[in-house]
Amino acid sequence: DAGVTQSPTHLIKTRGQQVTLRCSPKSGHDTVSWYQQALGQGPQFIFQYYEEEERQRGNFPDRFSGHQFPNYSSELNVNALLLGDSALYLCASSLTQGRVAGANVLTFGAGSRLTVL
Amino acid sequence: DAKTTQPPSMDCAEGRAANLPCNHSTISGNEYVYWYRQIHSQGPQYIIHGLKNNETNEMASLIITEDRKSSTLILPHATLRDTAVYYCIATNAGGTSYGKLTFGQGTILTVHP
Repeated sequence: DAGVTQSPTHLIKTRGQQVTLRCSPKSGHDTVSWYQQALGQGPQFIFQYYEEEERQRGNFPDRFSGHQFPNYSSELNVNALLLGDSALYLCASSLTQGRVAGANVLTFGAGSRLTVL
Repeated sequence: DAKTTQPPSMDCAEGRAANLPCNHSTISGNEYVYWYRQIHSQGPQYIIHGLKNNETNEMASLIITEDRKSSTLILPHATLRDTAVYYCIATNAGGTSYGKLTFGQGTILTVHP
């Protein structure tokens, strides 16, 4: 059973460009959350998608947007890239429908490392 | 989510128990304590969670004090592969907190041969 898969694993962009990162959730999961992890820091919540809609959002500008498809996979888009957007972008999947009470168990992918020059 | 405080780093000898402390003195009654770890170049991995009772699974044990203001993650027989950053998170796990984890700096656990 494949876990969470993310692509690409590494990419380099220049300031002002746009980037799209992709995520396939763990089989059976219906919810995707995206996190940004700067070097030496813990992951920071960007937003979450469920039923193809953004359900909640962290403290990130509108340059960060996303999408969830009917098969539960998801994309993260970042426009007008800044040097400070260089980070590891993590996708995490989980189950909303039928989850156990008190369960906030996320399955993370290995991430996409973005370098902005 | 309640604020958690962890030591920045700890060392442990291979084969010995690793005891990782976490302080969460402002935790509310409906908040669970979660532990995740992140091995270098990988995404975080769920370890264990609990509300007020001690919990054990195949990876670790979680001991929560009676007043719930602190907890300890125990890796009973640490191996070199347990070297990682360990994150303690207090979250109510429901509503707007579901799927939205607040990671701090964590504890860097280094297991030595």
